[in-house]
Amino acid sequence: QKEVEQDPGPLSVPEGAIVSLNCTYSNSAFQYFMWYRQYSRKGPELLMYTYSSGNKEDGRFTAQVDKSSKYISLFIRDSQPSDSATYLCAMSVWGGSEKLVFGKGTKLTVNP
Amino acid sequence: EAEVAQSPRYKITEKSQAVAFWCDPISGHATLYWYRQILGQGPELLVQFQDESVVDDSQLPKDRFSAERLKGVDSTLKIQPAELGDSAMYLCASSSPYDRGHRVGLYGYTFGSGTRLTVV
Repeated sequence: QKEVEQDPGPLSVPEGAIVSLNCTYSNSAFQYFMWYRQYSRKGPELLMYTYSSGNKEDGRFTAQVDKSSKYISLFIRDSQPSDSATYLCAMSVWGGSEKLVFGKGTKLTVNP
Repeated sequence: EAEVAQSPRYKITEKSQAVAFWCDPISGHATLYWYRQILGQGPELLVQFQDESVVDDSQLPKDRFSAERLKGVDSTLKIQPAELGDSAMYLCASSSPYDRGHRVGLYGYTFGSGTRLTVV
């Protein structure tokens, strides 16, 4: 079993839809949880970063962490065609080697 | 906005040949990482440097891969000899927990655009 599991999709939604992306993890030592967006042929760029259970909102994006269930989510409201990308969840045990452990990524297409 | 620079962007090489990738991190970032991302997968750490010292190279295939960061600034990742299974995107990242005196934690973790390697 991989440390981080993420449904690779692909996921296709109409413009304006609410998108829900999820990851589960097995390592209870993970303390920091991130969502990255990766456009084709580009490196990942950080979208959201949380280190506690609960919700964090930034514009149209909401990150949710449930440490008791080892489950994290990213919600995108009013999705736009420009949101079409691969979304990667990543986790870290900060204070150790600082490496990020990534999920496989979910490919999202938002259709106009 | 500061960026992590990588070159080349694309590289096609024949198997058994040597290949090298270069990374220039964000100025002042002491920590540098090389990740490998196989198509359809998430990135996986190959090696992590703190200044010029290797912190973690447990996933680096040392029989064919080598990495160096001689002056603690830019870094080179080499593969010799390349194998078909090495075809992937090689991503460099750098980080610092501080930005202009402010603690930014993992917000400072920045990836370059990567080098896409195809071994034929």
